[in-house]
Amino acid sequence: QSVLTQPPSASGTPGQRVTISCSGSSSNIGSNYVYWYQQLPGTAPKLLIYRNNQRPSGVPDRFSGSKSGTSASLAISGLRSEDEADYYCAAWDDSLSGPWVFGGGTKLTVL
Amino acid sequence: QLQLQESGPGLVKPSETLSLTCTVSGGSISSSSYYWGWIRQPPGKGLEWIGSIYYSGSTYYNPSLKSRVTISVDTSKNQFSLKLSSVTAADTAVYYCACATVLPFSWGQGTLVTVSS
Repeated sequence: QSVLTQPPSASGTPGQRVTISCSGSSSNIGSNYVYWYQQLPGTAPKLLIYRNNQRPSGVPDRFSGSKSGTSASLAISGLRSEDEADYYCAAWDDSLSGPWVFGGGTKLTVL
Repeated sequence: QLQLQESGPGLVKPSETLSLTCTVSGGSISSSSYYWGWIRQPPGKGLEWIGSIYYSGSTYYNPSLKSRVTISVDTSKNQFSLKLSSVTAADTAVYYCACATVLPFSWGQGTLVTVSS
Protein backbone atom coordinates (compact mmCIF):
# COMPACT_ATOMS: atom_id res chain seq x y z
CA GLN A 1 0.00 0.00 0.00
CA SER A 2 1.74 3.15 -1.22
CA VAL A 3 1.58 6.38 0.78
CA LEU A 4 0.85 8.39 -2.38
CA THR A 5 -2.05 7.34 -4.62
CA GLN A 6 -1.79 7.17 -8.40
CA PRO A 7 -4.07 5.58 -11.00
CA PRO A 8 -2.58 2.26 -12.09
CA SER A 9 -2.90 3.03 -15.77
CA ALA A 10 -3.35 5.82 -18.31
CA SER A 11 -3.38 5.91 -22.08
CA GLY A 12 -3.45 8.24 -25.04
CA THR A 13 -2.82 8.44 -28.75
CA PRO A 14 0.18 10.14 -30.35
CA GLY A 15 -0.09 13.92 -30.17
CA GLN A 16 -2.61 13.89 -27.34
CA ARG A 17 -2.23 15.44 -23.89
CA VAL A 18 -2.34 13.08 -20.94
CA THR A 19 -2.37 13.83 -17.23
CA ILE A 20 -1.44 11.56 -14.32
CA SER A 21 -2.64 12.41 -10.83
CA CYS A 22 -0.97 11.86 -7.47
CA SER A 23 -2.83 12.23 -4.20
CA GLY A 24 -1.26 12.55 -0.77
CA SER A 25 -1.79 14.24 2.56
CA SER A 26 -0.80 17.28 4.58
CA SER A 27 2.40 15.61 5.79
CA ASN A 28 3.76 15.03 2.30
CA ILE A 29 2.37 16.75 -0.81
CA GLY A 30 0.50 19.31 1.27
CA SER A 31 3.68 20.69 2.80
CA ASN A 32 6.57 19.59 0.59
CA TYR A 33 7.76 19.44 -2.99
CA VAL A 34 6.60 16.75 -5.42
CA TYR A 35 8.97 14.91 -7.71
CA TRP A 36 8.12 12.77 -10.75
CA TYR A 37 10.11 9.90 -12.23
CA GLN A 38 9.91 8.09 -15.56
CA GLN A 39 10.87 4.42 -15.69
CA LEU A 40 11.32 2.90 -19.12
CA PRO A 41 11.12 -0.91 -19.29
CA GLY A 42 14.15 -2.60 -17.76
CA THR A 43 15.81 0.63 -16.66
CA ALA A 44 16.25 2.65 -13.48
CA PRO A 45 13.88 5.53 -12.74
CA LYS A 46 14.90 8.88 -14.20
CA LEU A 47 14.07 12.25 -12.64
CA LEU A 48 11.47 14.02 -14.77
CA ILE A 49 10.15 16.84 -12.57
CA TYR A 50 11.47 18.24 -9.29
CA ARG A 51 10.16 20.89 -6.89
CA ASN A 52 6.61 20.46 -8.26
CA ASN A 53 7.22 21.91 -11.73
CA GLN A 54 10.93 22.16 -12.52
CA ARG A 55 12.50 20.16 -15.34
CA PRO A 56 16.08 18.89 -15.18
CA SER A 57 18.29 19.74 -18.10
CA GLY A 58 17.45 17.53 -21.07
CA VAL A 59 13.81 16.84 -20.17
CA PRO A 60 11.53 18.11 -22.96
CA ASP A 61 9.07 20.89 -22.15
CA ARG A 62 6.29 18.50 -23.20
CA PHE A 63 6.48 17.32 -19.60
CA SER A 64 5.07 19.61 -16.92
CA GLY A 65 4.13 19.29 -13.27
CA SER A 66 1.71 21.08 -10.99
CA LYS A 67 0.55 20.91 -7.40
CA SER A 68 -2.55 22.04 -5.57
CA GLY A 69 -3.17 21.33 -1.91
CA THR A 70 -2.51 17.66 -1.25
CA SER A 71 -2.58 16.60 -4.90
CA ALA A 72 -0.22 16.88 -7.84
CA SER A 73 -0.34 16.17 -11.55
CA LEU A 74 2.03 15.32 -14.33
CA ALA A 75 1.01 16.42 -17.81
CA ILE A 76 2.50 15.12 -21.02
CA SER A 77 1.59 16.99 -24.18
CA GLY A 78 2.29 15.96 -27.77
CA LEU A 79 2.38 12.33 -26.68
CA ARG A 80 5.00 10.16 -28.38
CA SER A 81 5.47 6.40 -28.52
CA GLU A 82 8.71 6.72 -26.55
CA ASP A 83 6.73 8.16 -23.62
CA GLU A 84 5.31 4.70 -22.95
CA ALA A 85 6.67 3.96 -19.49
CA ASP A 86 5.84 3.79 -15.81
CA TYR A 87 5.57 7.12 -14.00
CA TYR A 88 6.01 7.58 -10.25
CA CYS A 89 5.34 10.55 -8.03
CA ALA A 90 7.30 11.05 -4.82
CA ALA A 91 7.43 13.51 -1.97
CA TRP A 92 9.21 14.24 1.28
CA ASP A 93 7.01 13.17 4.20
CA ASP A 94 7.21 14.79 7.63
CA SER A 95 5.49 11.90 9.40
CA LEU A 96 6.86 8.56 10.53
CA SER A 97 6.19 7.19 7.04
CA GLY A 98 9.06 9.15 5.54
CA PRO A 99 11.05 10.97 4.67
CA TRP A 100 10.80 9.55 1.14
CA VAL A 101 7.39 8.31 0.01
CA PHE A 102 6.39 7.11 -3.45
CA GLY A 103 3.21 6.57 -5.40
CA GLY A 104 2.33 3.12 -6.67
CA GLY A 105 3.13 4.08 -10.23
CA THR A 106 1.08 4.67 -13.38
CA LYS A 107 1.69 2.67 -16.53
CA LEU A 108 1.25 4.93 -19.53
CA THR A 109 0.30 3.22 -22.79
CA VAL A 110 0.57 5.05 -26.11
CA LEU A 111 -2.12 3.56 -28.33
CA GLN B 1 28.41 13.95 -13.13
CA LEU B 2 27.48 11.91 -10.09
CA GLN B 3 27.34 8.15 -10.75
CA LEU B 4 26.27 5.32 -8.50
CA GLN B 5 26.85 1.57 -8.88
CA GLU B 6 25.33 -1.20 -6.76
CA SER B 7 27.22 -4.40 -6.03
CA GLY B 8 26.62 -7.53 -3.99
CA PRO B 9 25.33 -11.11 -4.17
CA GLY B 10 22.45 -11.76 -6.54
CA LEU B 11 21.20 -14.72 -4.51
CA VAL B 12 20.56 -14.83 -0.78
CA LYS B 13 19.14 -17.70 1.26
CA PRO B 14 16.01 -17.24 3.37
CA SER B 15 16.70 -16.07 6.95
CA GLU B 16 20.13 -14.76 5.97
CA THR B 17 21.30 -11.15 5.65
CA LEU B 18 21.24 -9.29 2.35
CA SER B 19 24.27 -7.02 1.94
CA LEU B 20 24.73 -4.48 -0.85
CA THR B 21 27.22 -1.71 -1.47
CA CYS B 22 26.84 1.45 -3.54
CA THR B 23 30.00 3.00 -4.93
CA VAL B 24 29.81 6.71 -5.67
CA SER B 25 31.91 8.45 -8.32
CA GLY B 26 31.97 12.03 -9.52
CA GLY B 27 31.26 13.41 -6.06
CA SER B 28 32.06 13.01 -2.38
CA ILE B 29 29.88 10.92 -0.11
CA SER B 30 30.89 13.30 2.69
CA SER B 31 29.20 16.25 0.99
CA SER B 32 26.77 18.10 3.22
CA SER B 33 24.53 18.61 0.19
CA TYR B 34 23.35 15.03 -0.16
CA TYR B 35 21.26 12.25 1.28
CA TRP B 36 22.11 8.70 0.19
CA GLY B 37 19.42 6.07 0.04
CA TRP B 38 18.18 2.67 -0.99
CA ILE B 39 14.96 1.93 -2.86
CA ARG B 40 13.71 -1.44 -4.03
CA GLN B 41 11.28 -2.70 -6.65
CA PRO B 42 9.81 -6.22 -6.45
CA PRO B 43 9.28 -7.82 -9.88
CA GLY B 44 6.33 -6.21 -11.62
CA LYS B 45 5.63 -3.86 -8.71
CA GLY B 46 6.26 -0.28 -7.68
CA LEU B 47 9.07 1.50 -5.85
CA GLU B 48 9.53 1.11 -2.11
CA TRP B 49 11.82 3.37 -0.10
CA ILE B 50 14.02 1.32 2.26
CA GLY B 51 16.07 3.96 4.06
CA SER B 52 18.37 6.95 3.80
CA ILE B 53 21.47 8.34 5.45
CA TYR B 54 22.66 11.92 5.67
CA TYR B 55 26.31 12.95 5.54
CA SER B 56 26.16 13.54 9.31
CA GLY B 57 25.35 9.87 9.84
CA SER B 58 21.69 10.41 10.65
CA THR B 59 19.63 7.51 9.35
CA TYR B 60 15.98 7.24 8.36
CA TYR B 61 14.27 3.92 7.76
CA ASN B 62 10.94 2.78 6.33
CA PRO B 63 8.87 1.88 9.41
CA SER B 64 7.84 -1.41 7.81
CA LEU B 65 11.49 -2.50 7.46
CA LYS B 66 13.13 -0.61 10.31
CA SER B 67 13.72 -3.62 12.56
CA ARG B 68 15.74 -5.38 9.84
CA VAL B 69 17.61 -2.55 8.07
CA THR B 70 20.99 -0.94 8.63
CA ILE B 71 22.48 1.69 6.32
CA SER B 72 26.03 2.92 6.81
CA VAL B 73 28.66 5.03 5.07
CA ASP B 74 32.34 4.28 4.41
CA THR B 75 33.88 7.65 3.59
CA SER B 76 37.33 6.13 2.94
CA LYS B 77 35.91 4.16 0.02
CA ASN B 78 33.24 6.68 -1.03
CA GLN B 79 30.63 3.98 -0.53
CA PHE B 80 27.45 3.39 1.43
CA SER B 81 25.92 0.05 2.30
CA LEU B 82 22.65 -1.71 2.99
CA LYS B 83 22.11 -4.67 5.28
CA LEU B 84 18.69 -6.32 5.45
CA SER B 85 18.42 -9.18 7.91
CA SER B 86 16.14 -12.23 8.13
CA VAL B 87 15.18 -12.06 4.47
CA THR B 88 12.27 -13.96 2.93
CA ALA B 89 11.03 -14.43 -0.62
CA ALA B 90 9.12 -11.16 -0.22
CA ASP B 91 12.46 -9.33 -0.21
CA THR B 92 13.22 -10.45 -3.78
CA ALA B 93 13.55 -7.24 -5.75
CA VAL B 94 15.73 -4.95 -7.81
CA TYR B 95 17.61 -2.81 -5.33
CA TYR B 96 18.59 0.73 -6.32
CA CYS B 97 20.93 3.12 -4.58
CA ALA B 98 20.31 6.82 -5.05
CA CYS B 99 21.54 10.29 -4.23
CA ALA B 100 19.23 13.11 -3.18
CA THR B 101 19.20 16.72 -2.14
CA VAL B 102 15.54 16.41 -1.12
CA LEU B 103 14.41 13.41 -3.16
CA PRO B 104 16.56 11.26 -5.48
CA PHE B 105 17.99 12.94 -8.55
CA SER B 106 20.54 10.29 -9.47
CA TRP B 107 20.04 6.51 -9.38
CA GLY B 108 22.24 3.48 -9.83
CA GLN B 109 21.29 1.01 -12.51
CA GLY B 110 19.90 -1.41 -9.94
CA THR B 111 20.79 -4.96 -8.97
CA LEU B 112 18.43 -7.92 -8.76
CA VAL B 113 18.54 -9.82 -5.50
CA THR B 114 16.69 -13.12 -5.34
CA VAL B 115 15.89 -14.78 -2.02
CA SER B 116 15.80 -18.52 -2.50
CA SER B 117 17.27 -21.66 -1.04
